[in-house]
Amino acid sequence: AQKVTQAQTEISVVEKEDVTLDCVYETRDTTYYLFWYKQPPSGELVFLIRRNSFDEQNEISGRYSWNFQKSTSSFNFTITASQVVDSAVYFCALSEAFTGNQFYFGTGTSLTVIP
Amino acid sequence: DAMVIQNPRYQVTQFGKPVTLSCSQTLNHNVMYWYQQKSSQAPKLLFHYYDKDFNNEADTPDNFQSRRPNTSFCFLDIRSPGLGDAAMYLCATSRGQGGAAFFGQGTRLTVV
Repeated sequence: AQKVTQAQTEISVVEKEDVTLDCVYETRDTTYYLFWYKQPPSGELVFLIRRNSFDEQNEISGRYSWNFQKSTSSFNFTITASQVVDSAVYFCALSEAFTGNQFYFGTGTSLTVIP
Repeated sequence: DAMVIQNPRYQVTQFGKPVTLSCSQTLNHNVMYWYQQKSSQAPKLLFHYYDKDFNNEADTPDNFQSRRPNTSFCFLDIRSPGLGDAAMYLCATSRGQGGAAFFGQGTRLTVV
């Protein structure tokens, strides 16, 4: 069973629009960690944010914000006032305390920001 | 400032000719991972080390081996590369137990 689902395969927005990337996860563990990574065309996966299962406080960092809701098992990521440099593939990932050190990645959402 | 370094960035090898990819880290993390990523797909975990403890994924082909001689270095050996092994290979490290993974720039492997 897929532990992390990113239903949006590709999204295109015009520059300065806001965009939300969806992530839904599945786990039976009570202690788990959620992550977002950005993969620009250069290929390197860049760590953006980490949340643990006990901290549902939403977070804003510049133009980025994250909405973690345990009730719906979702960890969505919003970019406000998108820029061309935001064009990349974004991956959501899950790590469970029970399985230790493994990361389960979603299939990614390819975001294109059109100038 | 590079924290996870992979060499080489691009590797071309012949069908069936053994190839080794290398990864080093300056973060002193306990865990090192090797992922395979094919075009438009999510990274697929091949194996990982927690310190010297090796953990192989059940579906990782025997053609793939790994070595971690010390905390800082980890190697991926592909004994007999096939055309299907052409991919981006990503090395990552983490402190373990919920810590974020930090990735290198990857090695893009081409098999000819």
